[in-house]
Amino acid sequence: QKEVEQNSGPLSVPEGAIASLNCTYSDRGSQSFFWYRQYSGKSPELIMFIYSNGDKEDGRFTAQLNKASQYVSLLIRDSQPSDSATYLCAVNSWESGGGADGLTFGKGTHLIIQP
Amino acid sequence: DGGITQSPKYLFRKEGQNVTLSCEQNLNHDAMYWYRQDPGQGLRLIYYSQIVNDFQKGDIAEGYSVSREKKESFPLTVTSAQKNPTAFYLCASGGDRGLNGELFFGEGSRLTVL
Repeated sequence: QKEVEQNSGPLSVPEGAIASLNCTYSDRGSQSFFWYRQYSGKSPELIMFIYSNGDKEDGRFTAQLNKASQYVSLLIRDSQPSDSATYLCAVNSWESGGGADGLTFGKGTHLIIQP
Repeated sequence: DGGITQSPKYLFRKEGQNVTLSCEQNLNHDAMYWYRQDPGQGLRLIYYSQIVNDFQKGDIAEGYSVSREKKESFPLTVTSAQKNPTAFYLCASGGDRGLNGELFFGEGSRLTVL
């Protein structure tokens, strides 16, 4: 059973600070990692993906991957109230043939940015 | 604009009734997926289709059925056999740029069984 674990929160961060969201996964064969943002009552939207160990930056977002520790994180710099949402971590492995049917989603972390 | 359209957005059903949720995409994606989301839960895969006229069961297919007669369309039927159908249903299509987890989601259909 492949598992993806996230702290459900809520994680409360003051506006302008760095929000740090964490995710651990159980399958050592995992190769690709995704962060989706989901506003309340809305559908998820992909914001970051990472395949290699290290950091990947895109604007205010940085994804960090450590395969040895089976840990992936998302940093949001200069947090804005509009960043308040649930962030879903998703993990895939090549065993599934590369299709998104192999994705395993975490339950999500609820992030609140306080003005 | 390209995207995925789900309908209806809200649906109420009496116990024992079947209901069909519509999903249409104009992104020219081969792969389409149906997920279920319950409060405080991650997404769980119901069915998926990689190509027209072919589909596969996901992790929680019991009580559901699908068809894929056209590339653009992937309707989901929630049958009376589904014991706990009240949930938020999300349709998605798969990007074809080699990103095996890049999914584009519709706005979702919220089903409530009375």
